[in-house]
Amino acid sequence: GAVVSQHPSWVICKSGTSVKIECRSLDFQATTMFWYRQFPKQSLMLMATSNEGSKATYEQGVEKDKFLINHASLTLSTLTVTSAHPEDSSFYICGITGGETYGYTFGSGTRLTVV
Amino acid sequence: GDSVTQMEGPVTLSEEAFLTINCTYTATGYPSLFWYVQYPGEGLQLLLKATKADDKGSNKGFEATYRKETTSFHLEKGSVQVSDSAVYFCAQDMNTGFQKLVFGTGTRLLVSP
Repeated sequence: GAVVSQHPSWVICKSGTSVKIECRSLDFQATTMFWYRQFPKQSLMLMATSNEGSKATYEQGVEKDKFLINHASLTLSTLTVTSAHPEDSSFYICGITGGETYGYTFGSGTRLTVV
Repeated sequence: GDSVTQMEGPVTLSEEAFLTINCTYTATGYPSLFWYVQYPGEGLQLLLKATKADDKGSNKGFEATYRKETTSFHLEKGSVQVSDSAVYFCAQDMNTGFQKLVFGTGTRLLVSP
């Protein structure tokens, strides 16, 4: 199956700064990647679907200007949390889909703490 | 809209007990259904899946059967181990052909020796 690498695994940043999280598909050309946010009571929320070479599709209620997603190649998607605030602290998980053959594969997640 | 509902946890069991975690879905058409497991501090791992009605997914002693008539995909295991302690997520692809995945709220399982 596909392998997904997500970096960093954890990051601490100051309020007002921006943080970039990378999601790489190591052995599969991923046309579509996903970004999820996990809230403290474990619920996983789909934030956006990242499409290679085009704009990401954001779910309702997710701020596009706050959470910038770039999917410039078939192996890399990035999520940038801009002007981070403590309420952005969360666990962010990326994933790819390889269709029915390979299914969905997820990265190991990034723990973001904004202080 | 299309969604997944699973039982609230935590589910607390003794080792070797029988496990059931209920999951139901609402969808247009026939989505593929999944169970994922998340161990503390880690990402998501696929546990099992089923892509059509009456399919049974199985892995590591866990099983789930795609029941179209009851729109359910309950997770079962005959004898749990302490190492099974984790959060379990039911998910569906909303009949998008593996192009979108939505999750239930997750159920924490705690197994004591």
